[in-house]
Amino acid sequence: AQKITQTQPGMFVQEKEAVTLDCTYDTSDPSYGLFWYKQPSSGEMIFLIYQGSYDQQNATEGRYSLNFQKARKSANLVISASQLGDSAMYFCAMRGRYSSASKIIFGSGTRLSIRP
Amino acid sequence: GAVVSQHPSRVICKSGTSVKIECRSLDFQATTMFWYRQFPKQSLMLMATSNEGSKATYEQGVEKDKFLINHASLTLSTLTVTSAHPEDSSFYICSARDLLGNTIYFGEGSWLTVV
Repeated sequence: AQKITQTQPGMFVQEKEAVTLDCTYDTSDPSYGLFWYKQPSSGEMIFLIYQGSYDQQNATEGRYSLNFQKARKSANLVISASQLGDSAMYFCAMRGRYSSASKIIFGSGTRLSIRP
Repeated sequence: GAVVSQHPSRVICKSGTSVKIECRSLDFQATTMFWYRQFPKQSLMLMATSNEGSKATYEQGVEKDKFLINHASLTLSTLTVTSAHPEDSSFYICSARDLLGNTIYFGEGSWLTVV
């Protein structure tokens, strides 16, 4: 069975500071993918970053980077130089490739609030 | 980039009626789409996997006769909430996987209110 755990229900960060959102996972699939999504109050799910389990390097997309530690089964999202517009819910998600039939499951989310 | 469109964005229906929500992939073909439900301040819960040309695969605890899913083409999946009740009021959101499977695109979501 797959499981995604986000232990931070809410975080407050000062504008321009870096922030790390935690995500740990569990899966029996040998190959899997990890995602981070941002969900503002409007409800849309905005794709941020993807990390494949066999990727040698940590994924980066602009101000977003994924700190992937496979042995520890963690995939933390790092946002550098946070902005007021970063305030939103953030979800970590995982997709397996075999036993899970490519289903994508989500963690419980972290509500990030950026202080001016 | 790829876009997934969901319609309607908001719908209010009377108890006992049925309501259909559409999910379209606009510029790519999606053999697989996913339907999620999200209650306020909660995470997305996978309801079912919609497979083009075959029956949907429902998650445990999801009533397949109540939440009818049809994936008639490579660009369209529909979710019909039958005999809706107020407890069905929720945010329903679909997603589609591109051919490589490395990116999942989401629709804008549909807010359903059953009165």
